[in-house]
Amino acid sequence: AQSVTQLGSHVSVSEGALVLLRCNYSSSVPPYLFWYVQYPNQGLQLLLKYTSAATLVKGINGFEAEFKKSETSFHLTKPSAHMSDAAEYFCAVSAPETFGNEKLTFGTGTRLTIIP
Amino acid sequence: NAGVMQNPRHLVRRRGQEARLRCSPVKGHSHVYWYRQLPEEGLKFMVYLQKENIIDESGMPKERFSAEFPKEGPSILRIQQVVRGDSAAYFCASSHRDRGSKNIQYFGAGTRLSVL
Repeated sequence: AQSVTQLGSHVSVSEGALVLLRCNYSSSVPPYLFWYVQYPNQGLQLLLKYTSAATLVKGINGFEAEFKKSETSFHLTKPSAHMSDAAEYFCAVSAPETFGNEKLTFGTGTRLTIIP
Repeated sequence: NAGVMQNPRHLVRRRGQEARLRCSPVKGHSHVYWYRQLPEEGLKFMVYLQKENIIDESGMPKERFSAEFPKEGPSILRIQQVVRGDSAAYFCASSHRDRGSKNIQYFGAGTRLSVL
């Protein structure tokens, strides 16, 4: 069984400030972890993924996330926020393909607002 | 654009009518997932299909909902006798199952179903 907890349903940061979106997971098998971004009335776009290689993962648009097994966390960061980063962000977990079903379990999302 | 195509983008139905949602996966992808997003919530897994087979339907309501992915043509999510609680955004994702794909699911823009 897998689950994801995203702390903070709404996060506001000033333009140019650090972005930190939190994600903790629970998984009975070594997890694959993902961050997706959703802009209003659009589908989900993959930002980055962790699939058991390097624990620090770099994604698109300057985002990165670090897998910390001891803390069961996969927090998303960006050094300097841009107005275009305003969106909903979802953390998700799945089991590796060797375990069969690769369905994603999503957190409830964090809405990021950028303050000019 | 060779991405996941969903249609219609918006669908309005009256209570008791049927809703048919279509999903054409990325060319060459043989795995399709359907997710539902209720207002202000994250995405919830509904069903996982491969060509002509339902692999996991553990997230599907027991009644009124069905899904198929025929050998030819798009995947269809069918909701019979819709009720107001079915109003949601329905997302389809597809993946290509090999070691290199690492569970990456590509999402369509979704179908927003409104039940009057």
